[in-house]
Amino acid sequence: NSKVIQTPRYLVKGQGQKAKMRCIPEKGHPVVFWYQQNKNNEFKFLINFQNQEVLQQIDMTEKRFSAECPSNSPCSLEIQSSEAGDSALYLCASSLMPNSDYTFGSGTRLLVI
Amino acid sequence: AQSVTQPDARVTVSEGASLQLRCKYSYSGTPYLFWYVQYPRQGLQLLLKYYSGDPVVQGVNGFEAEFSKSNSSFHLRKASVHWSDSAVYFCVLSFYGSSGNKLIFGIGTLLSVKP
Repeated sequence: NSKVIQTPRYLVKGQGQKAKMRCIPEKGHPVVFWYQQNKNNEFKFLINFQNQEVLQQIDMTEKRFSAECPSNSPCSLEIQSSEAGDSALYLCASSLMPNSDYTFGSGTRLLVI
Repeated sequence: AQSVTQPDARVTVSEGASLQLRCKYSYSGTPYLFWYVQYPRQGLQLLLKYYSGDPVVQGVNGFEAEFSKSNSSFHLRKASVHWSDSAVYFCVLSFYGSSGNKLIFGIGTLLSVKP
């Protein structure tokens, strides 16, 4: 059982719809990453946080993707207008500090139809 | 540029046989290396990690890996596999660059264990 909790497990959206997924990091872990894993097992970094502050994000996330990690609430990743190419497994991972062990959640599998 | 190569997309072994999954990395600094396993419809679970020190590191469920700086490798081994080891195994490189911490994932090796 993962110590990083992701919900929902599955998400089905039509093109153009919003898609929102949540992540509760492992207790005491201030660093949170979001990755997108496609069907070819390619992992794309999306964004990461340390103590609610964005550390890094790729250009893609600045346009349709938004994410936040408020204190005392789950982290979230939202796609404003889903596209077919967004269909993938979205993984949340947390760690005690950058460049240390990462604990991954079970992921949210998004299907955009 | 930093990279991780897992040359075997799929490995099939019989239950009870020994196993080696290969991983080669490219990084000029001191690498932090991990092996993660992904079971169907699940996230990634940490098997073992290497930061420094003894090049042979022990992990969970009888897995071990050997780091070789000269060969730029971090191969995963198990003396005797079980059918429940069937999964996808990822070699991961972690490093701290100019734009912060990065994880580089290999493409994964699908392990199938025959009963």
